[in-house]
Amino acid sequence: GENVEQHPSTLSVQEGDSAVIKCTYSDSASNYFPWYKQELGKRPQLIIDIRSNVGEKKDQRIAVTLNKTAKHFSLHITETQPEDSAVYFCAASKGDKLSFGAGTTVTVRA
Amino acid sequence: DAGVIQSPRHEVTEMGQEVTLRCKPISGHDYLFWYRQTMMRGLELLIYFNNNVPIDDSGMPEDRFSAKMPNASFSTLKIQPSEPRDSAVYFCASSLTAPGLEQYFGPGTRLTVT
Repeated sequence: GENVEQHPSTLSVQEGDSAVIKCTYSDSASNYFPWYKQELGKRPQLIIDIRSNVGEKKDQRIAVTLNKTAKHFSLHITETQPEDSAVYFCAASKGDKLSFGAGTTVTVRA
Repeated sequence: DAGVIQSPRHEVTEMGQEVTLRCKPISGHDYLFWYRQTMMRGLELLIYFNNNVPIDDSGMPEDRFSAKMPNASFSTLKIQPSEPRDSAVYFCASSLTAPGLEQYFGPGTRLTVT
């Protein structure tokens, strides 16, 4: 099955700086790559997604890039704010189900 | 819409007892997913349904776990007998007809087995 690896596992950034999280996937047939944000004690919520026919997608301060050849995709958060502190999960899918990465705990220092 | 609804929100039970977790998906969503989240294993897909039919239960850890979806608005995940290693947060999620679209997660059930 699909194997998704996510790095780093923890990330600490100064408020206002950028944060980058990287994921790799194993199945070249995967065609849907969402990112979820989970605040402490809350449910995971979709923040952005990208499909294999698109190389980059941006939504305000967050962006995702996809490199199908290398089978990796990344989440970029610019101008980080304290409310960006959370666990971020990448995922990959080629059909019905999602395979999640292990998560990255992002801490934004004031 | 109220979103995905799960009950109970917290469950504390003793080892050996039966536990039943409940989920009501968003109306009109054809896919329903059950996940388990722990610090050690992260988010694991246990089973998912399409139009009330189980499609893939390969993530169900063992025979002690079972799931049903008797109709489009209700699903249960049952653990019998429960063990301390089953302690986790169990999430239910649903999505629209086409696969690969956004999954909406419920608030989760925090299960503690003593």
